[in-house]
Order: sequence, then structure tokens, then C-alpha cells
Amino acid sequence: EAQVTQNPRYLITVTGKKLTVTCSQNMNHEYMSWYRQDPGLGLRQIYYSMNVEVTDKGDVPEGYKVSRKEKRNFPLILESPSPNQTSLYFCASSLEGGHQPQHFGDGTRLSIL
Amino acid sequence: ILNVEQSPQSLHVQEGDSTNFTCSFPSSNFYALHWYRWETAKSPEALFVMTLNGDEKKKGRISATLNTKEGYSYLYIKGSQPEDSATYLCAFNTGGFKTIFGAGTRLFVKA
Repeated sequence: EAQVTQNPRYLITVTGKKLTVTCSQNMNHEYMSWYRQDPGLGLRQIYYSMNVEVTDKGDVPEGYKVSRKEKRNFPLILESPSPNQTSLYFCASSLEGGHQPQHFGDGTRLSIL
Repeated sequence: ILNVEQSPQSLHVQEGDSTNFTCSFPSSNFYALHWYRWETAKSPEALFVMTLNGDEKKKGRISATLNTKEGYSYLYIKGSQPEDSATYLCAFNTGGFKTIFGAGTRLFVKA
């Protein structure tokens, strides 16, 4: 089954404790992206990747890192999480950026205390 | 920062009503406009990808139009059903890679 898998689905942690949210897709998609969703603001793009070893900042990259060492994986790293990063996070992928629809994971709800 | 606006923010209709909502986006550097449907507790699902001025797309009772010169797209739902209740998102692509989403229109359809 074609899918985008995020882990964990839920996490409560404390300020400053490094965490990684994994994202994996099995559709051989070139384009992958991370978004955060906050009430009233819609989905805001954090980082995106056009292909292996090619990443770029979205609109809200501060406090986040990503890597794309393999085509299928695109982890989101919070080196020193802070309470303002409490949010619902979505990973998405598409065959290529732009003209192709994105397939979304089920979301990860992060709470930083 | 490029801005994508959706209106209204929320909409309450009766079953059987037809409805429409708007997505406004910058009219320059247009590459593609996407519509997604997002049900509560699920992830967004793609409805349409629109790329050319004047595009019209249809899927069942849902259709969409695109005007890239004036920077807007309409989504129409004919004969709304309770299962149409969801948030409808539009997303603007410029140059193919950066994606900017609107805040969504939340539709409630009462039986």
C-alpha cells in the first residue's frame, strides 16, 4: 500500500531534549516536505527536499533541521525543542514538486513542556 | 512572504444546499494551485491540481475553477451532504517546490 509513515504519532517531552520525527514514503517520490499546523494558521512549510541531499527552507525553518540521505526518508530534527514548537506536524511527499499532489502522513502531535 | 487567503473561514449549510468558497493567491509566478480535503482526525487528501488559466476540474459533486490572471480559484460543492463536512485547503506553488497553504474553509453540512 502506498503510504507516508510518520513516527511517533504523539510525543510529550521537555524543553531542550533533542528529538527526531521520522518520515518514510514507499512511492519512490522525489519531493518531500514538512509542515506544521497551528490553529487558525493552516499548514506552514518548514523544510522541503527536491531529491536526495537537496533540501531548502520553507516559511518557518527556525529551530528545525532536516536531512535527506536516502530517497525514502526525510527526518525532522528538533535539536533543542521549545514550547513554541508544540504543534501538529505533517510530512508529505509527491512524485515531483509543483504539478503533482502531495500525499500526507497521519501527523505527529508534539507537546513541548 | 507570499500570502494565500481563503474565504469564508467557516460555512454552515443544510444538506442539499450548493455552496462555494474562494482561494486568493498572488497572480505572479504562478506554477500550480492545489485543493485538498481534510477531515477531522485524518490527513489532507488531494482533490485537484490546477495549472492553466481557465482550468476547470470536476470530481463527482465537487468542481473547481482557476483564474491565474486575477489570482483566484473557486471550489463548488453541488447538493452538499453531511459527509462533505471537512476543511478545504488550497495550496499555491511557485517555481514548483515551495508550497504555501491557505488557512482553509471549514464546511459543516447539517442533515
